[in-house]
Amino acid sequence: KQEVTQIPAALSVPEGENLVLNCSFTDSAIYNLQWFRQDPGKGLTSLLLIQSSQREQTSGRLNASLDKSSGRSTLYIAASQPGDSATYLCAVANYGGSQGNLIFGKGTKLSVKP
Amino acid sequence: DAGVIQSPRHEVTEMGQEVTLRCKPISGHDYLFWYRQTMMRGLELLIYFNNNVPIDDSGMPEDRFSAKMPNASFSTLKIQPSEPRDSAVYFCASSLLQGLEEKLFFGSGTQLSVL
Repeated sequence: KQEVTQIPAALSVPEGENLVLNCSFTDSAIYNLQWFRQDPGKGLTSLLLIQSSQREQTSGRLNASLDKSSGRSTLYIAASQPGDSATYLCAVANYGGSQGNLIFGKGTKLSVKP
Repeated sequence: DAGVIQSPRHEVTEMGQEVTLRCKPISGHDYLFWYRQTMMRGLELLIYFNNNVPIDDSGMPEDRFSAKMPNASFSTLKIQPSEPRDSAVYFCASSLLQGLEEKLFFGSGTQLSVL
């Protein structure tokens, strides 16, 4: 059974710092991995999607990497800003299914202090 | 497009009452998902539809939960009778398969409190 773990559960950093959020999964037979952002009282917003054949994806100050063999993904945020404060969740889609097979981690709550 | 629209945003009800949550997916999307989020268990998939047909309802916790999708633009999640342990945030999401890309788009959720 696929399990997704995100450590740490919470992270506080000063503005301007570069940071890395970690995600690990137990079954490497994944179809893709997706990083989401959730603001308080809001739904999830997809940030980056990495196909199983890809190593990384970039969008602005965000860079997500995927190492299937080790069951790990990282989300790198460059030059963090207070507006980046949110909970970040990763989710994996197991091979052979659609998004219906998405398994979510419990997220890392990020706080960027001005 | 206005995105995925859920109603109501908040629902407070008493144990034993029927609760109906509503969702309008993004126009043209052919997958619709219902998720539940709690502090203890995180996000859990309850059920999903493809072209209005339920594909996998194995995440529905009990027979008290039912979901319908009568047409491509509307879905409901019903709990009857509701219990305090059903208190959670319920999210609806939709997606469209485009090549290998199948990003999920979430609604803002319904915060359900069962007293």
